[in-house]
Amino acid sequence: VQLVESGGGLVKPGGSLRLSCAASGFTFSDYYMSWIRQTPGKGLEWLSYISGTTGYTTYAESVKGRFTISRDNGRNLVYLQMNSLRAEDTAVYYCVRRVLGWFDPWGQGTLVTVSS
Amino acid sequence: ELVLTQSPGTLPLSPGERATLSCRASQTVSSNYLAWYQQKPGQAPRLLIYGASSRATGIPVRFSGSGSGTDFTLTISRLEPEDFAVYYCQQYSRPPATFGQGTKVEFK
Repeated sequence: VQLVESGGGLVKPGGSLRLSCAASGFTFSDYYMSWIRQTPGKGLEWLSYISGTTGYTTYAESVKGRFTISRDNGRNLVYLQMNSLRAEDTAVYYCVRRVLGWFDPWGQGTLVTVSS
Repeated sequence: ELVLTQSPGTLPLSPGERATLSCRASQTVSSNYLAWYQQKPGQAPRLLIYGASSRATGIPVRFSGSGSGTDFTLTISRLEPEDFAVYYCQQYSRPPATFGQGTKVEFK
């Protein structure tokens, strides 16, 4: 089971970025997928999840209306579209498989830096 | 939001010693919906325990979880050198899922 994120980088405040996560080693559509971020100040913060096949999504209040999670079950990919980025969105972003509420495994993480 | 408070913040110990880490919830964690993770520098967190006391696949038996209600404990029976890391608890009882701030187990 492996998750590999990509798409992080440096972006200016107000800008956009799309993170991708490639999944392998399991039946992708059987699982909810989530994004979690980590900062030195706020620690680990769950951001969003998407259901396996129905497309149901939910978001943390801190990103609701700015971030959008989506998935492509045919290609075993999950995405996080991040718009209106702020300095406080600077973090390492992890793609994770949600298993009945806990998270396993985690991707290696991708760093997003929001700075002018 | 259900807040998890971990203590101590830092736990200085030596290899071979027993580590006892605490996670206290601001509200009852129903059905023992609590997990523990280990994170080493430069790595992603790794699942250790789910359901408060069930070890994840491949996790050594020296790791054990216990507790219920609002008080949970992660115990490492005899520390190995590779166990020096940061440990986080996470609840999935009430959305949104939340994490504790972590306990760092460091070399004394």
